[in-house]
Amino acid sequence: DSGVTQTPKHLITATGQRVTLRCSPRSGDLSVYWYQQSLDQGLQFLIQYYNGEERAKGNILERFSAQQFPDLHSELNLSSLELGDSALYFCASSDTGVVLTFGAGSRLTVL
Amino acid sequence: GQQLNQSPQSMFIQEGEDVSMNCTSSSIFNTWLWYKQDPGEGPVLLIALYKAGELTSNGRLTAQFGITRKDSFLNISASIPSDVGIYFCAGPNTGTASKLTFGTGTRLQVTL
Repeated sequence: DSGVTQTPKHLITATGQRVTLRCSPRSGDLSVYWYQQSLDQGLQFLIQYYNGEERAKGNILERFSAQQFPDLHSELNLSSLELGDSALYFCASSDTGVVLTFGAGSRLTVL
Repeated sequence: GQQLNQSPQSMFIQEGEDVSMNCTSSSIFNTWLWYKQDPGEGPVLLIALYKAGELTSNGRLTAQFGITRKDSFLNISASIPSDVGIYFCAGPNTGTASKLTFGTGTRLQVTL
């Protein structure tokens, strides 16, 4: 157990729908990161929050949004889902800003 | 943006063999990280390197931070079946130090 908790572990939904993925960082970590991993692909950085504020943005689609709440948990919202959004979505947290600790991921399947 | 290229892309080896893989970049990195991802799981940190030329071991794993700061190497000695997985190198972007760029990954398969 890495200490980073992601829910749900699996999610199946239809095109056009909206889903929310949730992440609780390791105790004491202020930074939360979201990454997307498509089938047999590498990890693509989406967005980073630090203590509730957006810190860095990657190749995140406009249909996707995220936030970090005062208790430091984070949610990634994916809307108007397309088939190509099917992927593993990972949350990671960090205290140093260099070494990231990853959760087990949320596997999204869009049908 | 910064890109990290890993080679080989995949490897099929027999149990007991040694494994070498590398990661190269077109730009300088000040930190190199090696992660392993088991199927269906999140990446787990194996080794962190913070200084050019640094050689660090973690059990059967040894990683080196290249002198040019544009590459890093990971070696696994006497491989075992649980070494199966995808190995990623990663480094923080120089522009936004808090964002990690991941390599393309090396998929390792171990046969008995």
